[in-house]
Amino acid sequence: ELKVEQNPLFLSMQEGKNYTIYCNYSTTSDRLYWYRQDPGKSLESLFVLLSNGAVKQEGRLMASLDTKARLSTLHITAAVHDLSATYFCAVDWSGANNLFFGTGTRLTVIP
Amino acid sequence: DAGVTQSPTHLIKTRGQQVTLRCSPKSGHDTVSWYQQALGQGPQFIFQYYEEEERQRGNFPDRFSGHQFPNYSSELNVNALLLGDSALYLCASSTPWGPGTEAFFGQGTRLTVV
Repeated sequence: ELKVEQNPLFLSMQEGKNYTIYCNYSTTSDRLYWYRQDPGKSLESLFVLLSNGAVKQEGRLMASLDTKARLSTLHITAAVHDLSATYFCAVDWSGANNLFFGTGTRLTVIP
Repeated sequence: DAGVTQSPTHLIKTRGQQVTLRCSPKSGHDTVSWYQQALGQGPQFIFQYYEEEERQRGNFPDRFSGHQFPNYSSELNVNALLLGDSALYLCASSTPWGPGTEAFFGQGTRLTVV
């Protein structure tokens, strides 16, 4: 059974602090996504990681992929309130962009 | 480029009724996937359409069916609606092959079953 586990499920952090969200998955995959979702909204694509050792950065967010460990991380640097949202990782289990999503991490950044 | 567009944005239906949701893929994309996102959960894969055929299907009952048209747009049909079908329905489009392919999501249709 395919599993995609994120931790933590809930994260409350102060502005200016750093933190990492972890995404563990149980199947081999060559494509992993990170998405952001604001309440009542659709999914905003943050990163697509395509190979082992891939690292991508955009602003205060950096994502990495270790396919051997089946682990991806989303690192937040110097958090700001605007980063408050739910973050999902998703694994392409079919090679044709059929995605299995993690449980999500609800991030709240406190001023 | 309009991206992935879905209609309607919101919908209220009565239990037992049938509903049709629509999706137009991003320009250049020929593959459409549908997802259901219940409140407080991650999206769950329903099915994927390519070349007007259902290619992959998730763990959803036959009440959920779909269609893809020659212009690559797609419909999701749900029959005999249950209260538990209330959710955000997301459509994603992509090209099916190649290392650079990526799934893009529409803004979703919020379905409420009363």
